[in-house]
Amino acid sequence: QAVLTQPSSLSASPGASASLTCTLHSGFNVGTYRIYWYQQKPESPPQFLLGYKSDSDKYQGSGVPSRFSGSKDASANAGILLISGLQSEDEADYYCLIWHSSAWVFGGGTKLTVL
Amino acid sequence: QVQLQQSGPGLAKPSQTLSLTCAISGDSVSSNSAAWNWIRQSPSRGLEWLGRTYYRSKWYNDYAVSVQSRITINPDTSKNHFSLQLNSVTPEDTAIYYCLRETGNPSRFDPWGQGTLVTVSS
Repeated sequence: QAVLTQPSSLSASPGASASLTCTLHSGFNVGTYRIYWYQQKPESPPQFLLGYKSDSDKYQGSGVPSRFSGSKDASANAGILLISGLQSEDEADYYCLIWHSSAWVFGGGTKLTVL
Repeated sequence: QVQLQQSGPGLAKPSQTLSLTCAISGDSVSSNSAAWNWIRQSPSRGLEWLGRTYYRSKWYNDYAVSVQSRITINPDTSKNHFSLQLNSVTPEDTAIYYCLRETGNPSRFDPWGQGTLVTVSS
């Protein structure tokens, strides 16, 4: 079982909201991790969106719209990236990231389609 | 504005060494508030962190377990760059390799180099 698991794809309509999940291995507690989210568009490296550990420990990347937000679902042991008011430009790959056992660990990524 | 410029060959032969360099402008490889990382990306392995070097009164390195027996990341203060060497490569090491700066508290990766596609093939 991978440390971080993301659904491979997700589709949503323009104007709707999309909830992207990043599930932590059952052996680890999501509450102890800061989860970072990155967006990657074709032919470009990933770009930092936000980091979230708790409502009192969160931060947004420079220039990242407030319609991108982070949260956690403790019952699912998962981090969540919520994108509200979806726009066509949000179509991209999204990766979660944590610092775990002295290493950076990426999730497998979710391809978000806006249609 | 910090910029990272990657250089190095795009082709490596199996069993040989992959070598890339990342030149830094606008910051210092010896910065006490940054770490200098290498990450790669391939369709089969996704985004994979390889390792980093950083200076906090002395030099430190962290490496991914998956490559720790084969990897070296070295800073060069005279040229203000850092390098990646990956030994004994196989076709599974074929990927786009990125250098990037890790900075801030909490951390973020910014900026990234332009990426180098390295193909391992005879």
